[in-house]
Amino acid sequence: DQQVKQNSPSLSVQEGRISILNCDYTNSMFDYFLWYKKYPAEGPTFLISISSIKDKNEDGRFTVFLNKSAKHLSLHIVPSQPGDSAVYFCAASADNNNDMRFGAGTRLTVKP
Amino acid sequence: DVKVTQSSRYLVKRTGEKVFLECVQDMDHENMFWYRQDPGLGLRLIYFSYDVKMKEKGDIPEGYSVSREKKERFSLILESASTNQTSMYLCASSPQAAWYNEQFFGPGTRLTVL
Repeated sequence: DQQVKQNSPSLSVQEGRISILNCDYTNSMFDYFLWYKKYPAEGPTFLISISSIKDKNEDGRFTVFLNKSAKHLSLHIVPSQPGDSAVYFCAASADNNNDMRFGAGTRLTVKP
Repeated sequence: DVKVTQSSRYLVKRTGEKVFLECVQDMDHENMFWYRQDPGLGLRLIYFSYDVKMKEKGDIPEGYSVSREKKERFSLILESASTNQTSMYLCASSPQAAWYNEQFFGPGTRLTVL
């Protein structure tokens, strides 16, 4: 039972363009969302997060949008750079229990 | 530079062997986690610990046990390895009691069970 879904296993964009990675969740109790980035042969590293009291959080080239009514969040990378090529995981947790769930990941390739 | 280290990057074991995966963090974090990563399934939580000698089951604890005798060290044990435990194993740690904080991951151990 995957409560966090990333339906696109891969995404390819041109350098300089926008990358949009999507994530859907089913558990309405989730109130904190995180994106992690993973390079080959390394562990995931935290990228950006958002709590359910916000609908947008921005950090440099990275912006996360949260649509609670649709149970959907997205990560925007503008402009995309070749160094952004990695697997991106979406994760969600609920404050009232010890439960963090990860999506299956989306492999982003940014072409020069 | 904060670090989570895992004892092996690659490990090959035979069915029925007892396997120990070790994880050490140098950040004085209270919380530590073991995940496995499989294609199409993302990261699934096996066990976590929020204090020394404390442990909690995650989503898929069957076939695994854990040990946390010291704050900085969290061990994952496969009592009798089976081929369906072939996977990438990731250890993570996080500070404070609010465990949904950012987690810091180790590089992973790719375990193959023959």
